This record gives sequence, C-alpha cells and structure tokens, in this order.
Amino acid sequence: DVKVTQSSRYLVKRTGEKVFLECVQDMDHENMFWYRQDPGLGLRLIYFSYDVKMKEKGDIPEGYSVSREKKERFSLILESASTNQTSMYLCASSTYTGDYYGYTFGSGTRLTVV
Amino acid sequence: AQKITQTQPGMFVQEKEAVTLDCTYDTSDQSYGLFWYKQPSSGEMIFLIYQGSYDEQNATEGRYSLNFQKARKSANLVISASQLGDSAMYFCAMREPFSSGSARQLTFGSGTQLTVLP
Repeated sequence: DVKVTQSSRYLVKRTGEKVFLECVQDMDHENMFWYRQDPGLGLRLIYFSYDVKMKEKGDIPEGYSVSREKKERFSLILESASTNQTSMYLCASSTYTGDYYGYTFGSGTRLTVV
Repeated sequence: AQKITQTQPGMFVQEKEAVTLDCTYDTSDQSYGLFWYKQPSSGEMIFLIYQGSYDEQNATEGRYSLNFQKARKSANLVISASQLGDSAMYFCAMREPFSSGSARQLTFGSGTQLTVLP
C-alpha cells in the first residue's frame, strides 16, 4: 500500500524553538507539498517541491522553510516557532497517474506552540 | 480571490438518504481538474473522485458522483445512500495547468462538515 508518512502525529513545542516536521513517501513521486489546515480556512499551501533540492513558495510561506535532499523526504522547518503557527500540518505527494495528477496525503501532524 | 468556494460549513443527512455538497470554482483556464476529498476525524485525506474539465461525462465512483456544470463553474459532490461512516469533513479542490504559474498544487475550499444521522 502506497504511503506518505509524517513522523509525528502530535507535537508540542515552545515559542522560539526550531521545529522540524518530517515527511517521507515510498511511491517515488516527484512532487511533494506541505499544507497547513485551519478551521474555516481549508488547506493552504506553504511550500512545494517538484524535484530534489527544488522548492517553490506557496500561498503562506512566511515563517517556514523546507528541505528536500532526497526524493522521498520533504521536511518543513519552523525557524522560530510562534503561537500563530499552532495548526494541523499535512504533507502530500503527487505524480501523474496516466489520466491526471493523483495526490496522496499523510495523516497530519497537529502542532501546538505554547 | 478565493478560487474554491464551499458555502455549506455543516450539513446533516439522514442515513440511507442522498446528500449534495456544493462547490463552485473560479478559473480562467480551459484545462483544469477538480477533486473531492474526505477527511474523517482521524485526519487523513481520502481521495474520493476526480473530474477533468474536458470530461464530457460526470465522474462516478461507487456511491459518489460529481455533478459537473462547467458553464456555472460548479462541481457538486453527490453521495447516495448515506452511511454513518460518511460523517466527515469534505473538501473540494482544484488543480490548474502548469501555464498558470507554479500550479502543480491543489487549491482547496474551506470544507463542509457532513453528519449522518441514524
């Protein structure tokens, strides 16, 4: 069964800490994404990557950075966590299925910054 | 400007009845894709159905069908014979072609929380 695995289901961090959220996919997908989900706002794109070492900003990149050193792993970094970054973070990967681009999501990391 | 609009924050449906979840979208492209995802309380996003903008037939997947009205820019999800396990958050999403800048990503609506009543 194909999978996108996020390293932590729940995470509690202190304001000002550097936080790493890890995402690994086993499907050899070229595209990977980090979304943030907040009530009433749906999912908003933070960053995505279409190849190793390549990255592009999404709609809300401020306060975040990413790293993709290997094709299967895409990390989201909060350089100095703030309380307004308390949220659910979802990682996804995608590839062309032959008919359309299919997207597979991880189970999410619920981050609380205190 | 919001590209995907889901106007129903919450919906209730009786078990075994059909329910329609609304989705309208905004794009100037002729080529695009529309997706529906289900998110149970456990958090994972489950792919339900896809409709391409050039597809002439409405997409169907089991109990799910997509009522695609291109001229009205709507892509409503119809769930037939609702089950208790259908209770979840439902998201409509759109993917625009590469010509629209960096458009490999999905753009999501705000979601509809569906509750199926026994």
